[in-house]
Amino acid sequence: DAGITQSPRHKVTETGTPVTLRCHQTENHRYMYWYRQDPGHGLRLIHYSYGVKDTDKGEVSDGYSVSRSKTEDFLLTLESATSSQTSVYFCAISGETGQRTYFGPGTRLTVT
Amino acid sequence: GESVGLHLPTLSVQEGDNSIINCAYSNSASDYFIWYKQESGKGPQFIIDIRSNMDKRQGQRVTVLLNKTVKHLSLQIAATQPGDSAVYFCAENISGANSKLTFGKGITLSVRP
Repeated sequence: DAGITQSPRHKVTETGTPVTLRCHQTENHRYMYWYRQDPGHGLRLIHYSYGVKDTDKGEVSDGYSVSRSKTEDFLLTLESATSSQTSVYFCAISGETGQRTYFGPGTRLTVT
Repeated sequence: GESVGLHLPTLSVQEGDNSIINCAYSNSASDYFIWYKQESGKGPQFIIDIRSNMDKRQGQRVTVLLNKTVKHLSLQIAATQPGDSAVYFCAENISGANSKLTFGKGITLSVRP
């Protein structure tokens, strides 16, 4: 998984609770991404980062926020989880934007 | 395991045969493409990439072919093995500042012993 870890790997939470997912990389790549993957859809970009403290929205950013205080860490926060956010979340990294991109092992999140 | 394979087309091949997985990409301006493999319960794994200035690129047991005229990308796997069973999907990009990969939904490859 190209030096990418995600935590937790599995989480069950209740509607309305905040949730934070963590991504950690050891590759010193500039770009980091959060995707969600759902049946019937390709990977969809939630947010991405192009440097420490530099982040931007992806195509499905509503209900999510991110932070990147260090090169190696990228956090995804669901401020108030909803059932529609039940999904598998993948962190990814790349040295150049939109180029060779490597994925972490994923976090399965269930919102009940 | 993951349920991402639900509703995806399936390609079934005999072990030892060659597999050809196809992808029609959407944007004629795309100039960079990647193939990924995703096994159940795991993250997508980079297989091979190709730029639009090439028609063909070979890796270990895999070949990617690009036909820009018809916006078609294919992944050929030689001597398919049981370990090749997975979901395969392509990604495309228009290189440039703030460019992002766009991912296809994928195809399930099933290898018959």
